[in-house]
Amino acid sequence: AQSVSQHNHHVILSEAASLELGCNYSYGGTVNLFWYVQYPGQHLQLLLKYFSGDPLVKGIKGFEAEFIKSKFSFNLRKPSVQWSDTAEYFCAVAASGGSYIPTFGRGTSLIVHP
Amino acid sequence: DAGVIQSPRHEVTEMGQEVTLRCKPISGHDYLFWYRQTMMRGLELLIYFNNNVPIDDSGMPEDRFSAKMPNASFSTLKIQPSEPRDSAVYFCASRNGLAGGYPRPNTGELFFGEGSRLTVL
Repeated sequence: AQSVSQHNHHVILSEAASLELGCNYSYGGTVNLFWYVQYPGQHLQLLLKYFSGDPLVKGIKGFEAEFIKSKFSFNLRKPSVQWSDTAEYFCAVAASGGSYIPTFGRGTSLIVHP
Repeated sequence: DAGVIQSPRHEVTEMGQEVTLRCKPISGHDYLFWYRQTMMRGLELLIYFNNNVPIDDSGMPEDRFSAKMPNASFSTLKIQPSEPRDSAVYFCASRNGLAGGYPRPNTGELFFGEGSRLTVL
């Protein structure tokens, strides 16, 4: 069974700082990878996803993630965060051996100070 | 387009009472998922359905929890009797299925409802 590990549980940044959230998964086969965002009091929304092709994926709101297969990683990045990026961020992996049913990481709480 | 619709948005009940959460998936989606979100455990998959059939309920914590999907447009998650430790946000999500055993380019992504925040006193 696949598992997902998010290393940073809480991140606090000032506006304009750069962001990188770590995500590692354990599964040796084909995977689809996702980052979801949950703004305070709201439901989870898709930020970006990787299925195949270019390992550098661009998402909404200036976010991007890079799939590094050799490291089983799918880290989320943003060069300059805004106060409105304050939210919970979830990495998820859907593996071929798991019928592509997503497994979510514990989430990373990001607080951006204005 | 209507997204995944859940009700109620908030429920406060007393220990021992029955709780029923409802979900209407996106039309045309043939997978439906129930997740529970808590501070301690994060986002846990409770059960999922494919074409209205429960496929994996190994995440359902106890026999007090049950889920049904009588048709393609409606699912319920029931807790009877409820306990304070059941307090959480319960999310329903849906998605397109797989075609021929391979994922279509737009599959895999889940569409979540607004969630039902349950408080059991």
